[in-house]
Amino acid sequence: DQQVKQNSPSLSVQEGRISILNCDYTNSMFDYFLWYKKYPAEGPTFLISISSIKDKNEDGRFTVFLNKSAKHLSLHIVPSQPGDSAVYFCAASAGSTGNQFYFGTGTSLTVIP
Amino acid sequence: EAGVVQSPRYKIIEKKQPVAFWCNPISGHNTLYWYLQNLGQGPELLIRYENEEAVDDSQLPKDRFSAERLKGVDSTLKIQPAELGDSAVYLCASSLGGLRGKYNEQFFGPGTRLTVL
Repeated sequence: DQQVKQNSPSLSVQEGRISILNCDYTNSMFDYFLWYKKYPAEGPTFLISISSIKDKNEDGRFTVFLNKSAKHLSLHIVPSQPGDSAVYFCAASAGSTGNQFYFGTGTSLTVIP
Repeated sequence: EAGVVQSPRYKIIEKKQPVAFWCNPISGHNTLYWYLQNLGQGPELLIRYENEEAVDDSQLPKDRFSAERLKGVDSTLKIQPAELGDSAVYLCASSLGGLRGKYNEQFFGPGTRLTVL
């Protein structure tokens, strides 16, 4: 049973515009969320995280929003750049399970120059 | 600082053959993870170590998969015998680990792509 879902397998955005990647989760015990970015033939790299005590976290061009009532989070990239083209994974963890993270299936972002 | 090292990067074997993957985590990282990633899917945890202790191996198919981290540093994941369905990318990750409820960013290696013919 997939506890973290990314329902959009792919997304194409024009350079300079905003990219919005979405993630939904089912486990109400999840209280920490991360986004990872993955280039082909490389392992995922950490991008940004958010704790459930916040509803927004910003790091440069990347902002993650958390809506706990909807069990939904989103990653905003603005402005999008061609180098942002990669697969983005959402991951979640619950305090009761410590460092175990559950990953979504990923969204492939293509930023068109 | 060196990242997580995995070898080999690619492996092609015939079914029923054994195969082993090696991972060296970032120095000082107590927690080590092995993940399986199928095409079009996210990483799925196989086993998690805190130092040399396997604290979560519930998703590891123990009839054919085994793992060890004898000295609490590097780790080996083995499949014997391999099946066609084992073709996937095997990712190793590490994190500082530590306190319950304290979350630590995981650093991933490049993975080993296994093809079973």
